[in-house]
Amino acid sequence: EPEVTQTPSHQVTQMGQEVILRCVPISNHLYFYWYRQILGQKVEFLVSFYNNEISEKSEIFDDQFSVERPDGSNFTLKIRSTKLEDSAMYFCASRDTSNLYEQYFGPGTRLTVT
Amino acid sequence: QKEVEQNSGPLSVPEGAIASLNCTYSDRVSQSFFWYRQYSGKSPELIMSIYSNGDKEDGRFTAQLNKASQYVSLLIRDSQPSDSATYLCAIYNQGGKLIFGQGTELSVKP
Repeated sequence: EPEVTQTPSHQVTQMGQEVILRCVPISNHLYFYWYRQILGQKVEFLVSFYNNEISEKSEIFDDQFSVERPDGSNFTLKIRSTKLEDSAMYFCASRDTSNLYEQYFGPGTRLTVT
Repeated sequence: QKEVEQNSGPLSVPEGAIASLNCTYSDRVSQSFFWYRQYSGKSPELIMSIYSNGDKEDGRFTAQLNKASQYVSLLIRDSQPSDSATYLCAIYNQGGKLIFGQGTELSVKP
């Protein structure tokens, strides 16, 4: 069964450093998302992406964040200058173009900012 | 008012019993509703989607939707210890994103 994959599974970085989180969505999906979950808190939407542009972004997704689809398979989230409060699980999700709106999540990347 | 509300639990049921998980939402225009299961340290896994008022059954799971009351629930019949997880209610926002509740922790005791 097709699934969303993410790398790395765990990233440790120092405050102020740039990180890139990578995702490979399900192959026939055209809508892509990033969510994050701070430990013990609910899953929060960050950004949605369709047709090579951002469809919607949350107030969390400030100028430090960017997304890119550099090729036909990868979807990346870049955090330019990490802060301690960016420590969280980051989930990539994707869905197809049907009106079922079902989003499938990758296994996540645990980001630890020290 | 929170957009999606769930009791955080924990909800404890004996093996073989029915587990009932509830969720209310504030956005009256929401049309698509989802239940995800999340094991500790893992990602959300889609287990049910529901779009129309009434019941939708899939194996041991039944989702129930009442748009007038802005209420969606998940019933798990014949609960198993492997069902122990946090269950996340999510609504699909018109802008294209999922809005999640805090989740209800379910514990099924052998």
